[in-house]
Amino acid sequence: DAKTTQPNSMESNEEEPVHLPCNHSTISGTDYIHWYRQLPSQGPEYVIHGLTSNVNNRMASLAIAEDRKSSTLILHRATLRDAAVYYCIPPFGGSQGNLIFGKGTKLSVKP
Amino acid sequence: GAGVSQSPRYKVAKRGQDVALRCDPISGHVSLFWYQQALGQGPEFLTYFQNEAQLDKSGLPSDRFFAERPEGSVSTLKIQRTQQEDSAVYLCASSVGGAIGYQETQYFGPGTRLLVL
Repeated sequence: DAKTTQPNSMESNEEEPVHLPCNHSTISGTDYIHWYRQLPSQGPEYVIHGLTSNVNNRMASLAIAEDRKSSTLILHRATLRDAAVYYCIPPFGGSQGNLIFGKGTKLSVKP
Repeated sequence: GAGVSQSPRYKVAKRGQDVALRCDPISGHVSLFWYQQALGQGPEFLTYFQNEAQLDKSGLPSDRFFAERPEGSVSTLKIQRTQQEDSAVYLCASSVGGAIGYQETQYFGPGTRLLVL
């Protein structure tokens, strides 16, 4: 099964970019990488997903390494509201499409 | 539009008491998941429904845990004879279709925080 590795925590200053890394060395060629985040006292929410090339949406960008063994979630300008736990989800973690979360990276944003 | 809702948001139970947690998924969503999240941990899978069929209950920690979705919409997670180790946040998520094995975007409710004394 594909697995992911993330740092336990990161800090950022408000208005600065944040790069959240994830290693997924066992990913195969057709597997998508998904990112979710969980704000305090809320359920997780979808952030972004990608396969090969870089992806952008209104929340973030996802940069995927050429060998696809790692990816980086990029928040271009962190705000206080971005303080959350960010989860890099391995593909096909569960047989029914259920998500395998791990501990994620706890992002703190300083004003 | 309406997202996934869960009730109650908070529940305090005495050890040995039965509890029922409700999930209202997004209307029309075929897939429904329940997760359990212990303090400081990521959510862990409990069970999965495709419409009214419970296709996977491999994550339920004991036979005290029971889930149902009789009409393929609202789901209830029931815990019998609650124990202190059942204290956690219980999250419900739904997704559009029953594409088994493919990770569709899941939409989560706010969770029910259960505290067993």
